[in-house]
Amino acid sequence: KAGVTQTPRYLIKTRGQQVTLSCSPISGHRSVSWYQQTPGQGLQFLFEYFSETQRNKGNFPGRFSGRQFSNSRSEMNVSTLELGDSALYLCASSIRDRGSTIPNNEQFFGPGTRLTVL
Amino acid sequence: AQSVTQLDSHVSVSEGTPVLLRCNYSSSYSPSLFWYVQHPNKGLQLLLKYTSAATLVKGINGFEAEFKKSETSFHLTKPSAHMSDAAEYFCVVDTGRRALTFGSGTRLQVQP
Repeated sequence: KAGVTQTPRYLIKTRGQQVTLSCSPISGHRSVSWYQQTPGQGLQFLFEYFSETQRNKGNFPGRFSGRQFSNSRSEMNVSTLELGDSALYLCASSIRDRGSTIPNNEQFFGPGTRLTVL
Repeated sequence: AQSVTQLDSHVSVSEGTPVLLRCNYSSSYSPSLFWYVQHPNKGLQLLLKYTSAATLVKGINGFEAEFKKSETSFHLTKPSAHMSDAAEYFCVVDTGRRALTFGSGTRLQVQP
């Protein structure tokens, strides 16, 4: 079974631009969560999507948004980029199925997208 | 609020010696706890998880962790370190609805 895939793997943008990152979950996984990893703040939860709806949100400004499609693929968007948005953005998928033997909170991570803002 | 504290930012061991990475948690109820590992330029890999079924949890690559409620600890151990274990390790608690809260990480160095 293929793992979580994220595209692109690397991105370079300038301040003020916007960026869209993509995540394809493991087949059969219906929940997608996004995390930001920086040297200063560590790993922080951004938001979670399930059934095309945002179900949970971390403490990030409104410039960070996302969406999920009917095939469970997800995108996150960052508008008006700032230097501090430079980070590794990780996507994780989980099954979120009451009938599964796998805990709903077990998350499988993709390799990440490294965003550099100049 | 649930949180985790990793007590060491860096741990250095010699190959073949035991590994101990320390984690304390704070939770108002029985938490779901995880250990993840991150190798350089790679994503996070789940090592093991505690979900109240057993206090001693065995994971991949010979790692295990013991949940101690009285000490609010979930330390990660391995009897014998291997060079390939060099990586960053994260203690993680599920704060609910798939929002994981990560510890600050422990960088494990393995000396030959």
